Amino acid sequence: QKEVEQDPGPLSVPEGAIVSLNCTYSNSAFQYFMWYRQYSRKGPELLMYTYSSGNKEDGRFTAQVDKSSKYISLFIRDSQPSDSATYLCAMGHSGYALNFGKGTSLLVTP
Amino acid sequence: GAVVSQHPSWVICKSGTSVKIECRSLDFQATTMFWYRQFPKQSLMLMATSNEGSKATYEQGVEKDKFLINHASLTLSTLTVTSAHPEDSSFYICSARESPNRNQAFFGQGTRLTVV
Repeated sequence: QKEVEQDPGPLSVPEGAIVSLNCTYSNSAFQYFMWYRQYSRKGPELLMYTYSSGNKEDGRFTAQVDKSSKYISLFIRDSQPSDSATYLCAMGHSGYALNFGKGTSLLVTP
Repeated sequence: GAVVSQHPSWVICKSGTSVKIECRSLDFQATTMFWYRQFPKQSLMLMATSNEGSKATYEQGVEKDKFLINHASLTLSTLTVTSAHPEDSSFYICSARESPNRNQAFFGQGTRLTVV
């Protein structure tokens, strides 16, 4: 079993919709959780960083971490065509390299 | 967020030659840098971890003599693909972390390597 599981999609939504992206993981030692956005042929861009359980909001983006269920989510409100990209979840514990999901491909249609 | 610059963004080379990719942290000192490889529609695969001033730690299956990593300063790490072959063609991405206690990692723009 991979340590991090993420549905690759693709996920297609109309502009303005609320998007829900999620990942599950198996390693209970993971303490910090990140979401990256990656456009085609570009490096990943850090969107959200969360340490331990809880919610974090930044503009249209909300990240949730439920360590008891080993489940993390990223919500995008009022989605825009410019949000079309691949979203990667990543997680780890201090001092170690990140563990990535495969990425979910999102398409927001006008 | 912090800025990581990777150069070149794309390179085409002949089979058998070597290619060097640079990764620089522009506004912070990176004690640790990571090198990843990404195939189309796949996630990032960690190749190696490098700490400034010490030898890189390679992941299983990654040939250290083929992928030479140097992290000579707190702002620069290089990956050299030696004797490149077409199967080395891929998207290579570096990331940098300011210190072991700062968990956020920032990525470079990536380098598209094509070996012909």
